[in-house]
Amino acid sequence: EPEVTQTPSHQVTQMGQEVILRCVPISNHLYFYWYRQILGQKVEFLVSFYNNEISEKSEIFDDQFSVERPDGSNFTLKIRSTKLEDSAMYFCASTGTALYGYTFGSGTRLTVV
Amino acid sequence: QKEVEQNSGPLSVPEGAIASLNCTYSDRGSQSFFWYRQYSGKSPELIMSIYSNGDKEDGRFTAQLNKASQYVSLLIRDSQPSDSATYLCAVNLNRDDKIIFGKGTRLHILP
Repeated sequence: EPEVTQTPSHQVTQMGQEVILRCVPISNHLYFYWYRQILGQKVEFLVSFYNNEISEKSEIFDDQFSVERPDGSNFTLKIRSTKLEDSAMYFCASTGTALYGYTFGSGTRLTVV
Repeated sequence: QKEVEQNSGPLSVPEGAIASLNCTYSDRGSQSFFWYRQYSGKSPELIMSIYSNGDKEDGRFTAQLNKASQYVSLLIRDSQPSDSATYLCAVNLNRDDKIIFGKGTRLHILP
């Protein structure tokens, strides 16, 4: 069964450092998403990406965040200058159409120290 | 602001019994409704989707939708210990909109 692949599974970084979280969505999917989940809290929407551009972003997705689909297969989330409160599980998801739900990757646990 | 509300639980159900999970949503225009299962430390896994009023059955799972009451539920028959997880209700407004999640209900199946 096709799956969404995320790397790394766990990233530890110092406050103020840049991190890049990587995702390989399912190959024939058109819509891509990043969500995050702070420990014990709900899964929160960050950004959606369609047709090589951001289609929607949340209040969380400020100027410190950016996304890119550099080569037609990878989908990356960059956090320019990490803060302690960025510590969370980050999930990538993709779908052929949002109407039918998403497939999530296994997540990257980001720990900012 | 669009909201999806769930009782956080934990909901404890004996093995073999029916587990009933409930969810309400605020946006009357919502079109698609999903139940995801999330084991601790893992990613959400889609288990059911429903788009029209009524019941939809898939194996031991039945999703129920009542758009007039803005209410979605999930029934799990013959509950197994492996069903112990957090169940996330999720909703999207239209085909190109993001899915928003409730906080989830923790389900614990008692052996």
